[in-house]
Amino acid sequence: DTGVSQDPRHKITKRGQNVTFRCDPISEHNRLYWYRQTLGQGPEFLTYFQNEAQLEKSRLLSDRFSAERPKGSFSTLEIQRTEQGDSAMYLCASSLPQWVQVTDTQYFGPGTRLTVL
Amino acid sequence: ILNVEQSPQSLHVQEGDSTNFTCSFPSSNFYALHWYRWETAKSPEALFVMTLNGDEKKKGRISATLNTKEGYSYLYIKGSQPEDSATYLCASSRDDKIIFGKGTRLHILP
Repeated sequence: DTGVSQDPRHKITKRGQNVTFRCDPISEHNRLYWYRQTLGQGPEFLTYFQNEAQLEKSRLLSDRFSAERPKGSFSTLEIQRTEQGDSAMYLCASSLPQWVQVTDTQYFGPGTRLTVL
Repeated sequence: ILNVEQSPQSLHVQEGDSTNFTCSFPSSNFYALHWYRWETAKSPEALFVMTLNGDEKKKGRISATLNTKEGYSYLYIKGSQPEDSATYLCASSRDDKIIFGKGTRLHILP
């Protein structure tokens, strides 16, 4: 396992279409996070999972966004009825639980760059 | 402060020169401070994580310090090289959340 992977790396879509991104975390990591990063900003937290349970969702995650991690391994992030404001880099990260590692270092994937036309 | 602030936003440094930049974070309910390096088209790479006041970490030519009482961390790069060109992100863990700053974009000039 070489790290966190994300697919696709780039996605161009038309406004109103649905898109789905996939994240495969490091295999022994049970925590998985989604972030969004727009130009000039740092990554902004969207949601996170511990195993298959979605424990927290940011208010940035409108009802058009849904994330799943059905078997506690890979995760998907779906955006319905995309808007131009959804254009951003979507980053996934994973980590070990805090009772395994003292600190909560997150390991990031390369991101999916979404462009909504 | 409620957010993680980084300065400067952008920095141009001559190859061979040393440089440093700052991260300010909320000192209440602090858990850990992270530094990441993010090169274009690559994944953000974890550089350091620090938890204790007065912590200093070093990795090659890069080092970092932490002051949890006043809520700041410095990242130092000695003898900048072209491969140091990247965005350096600082993030603070508190209350089970990780909050990122906007990053410092470092450009190394040949």
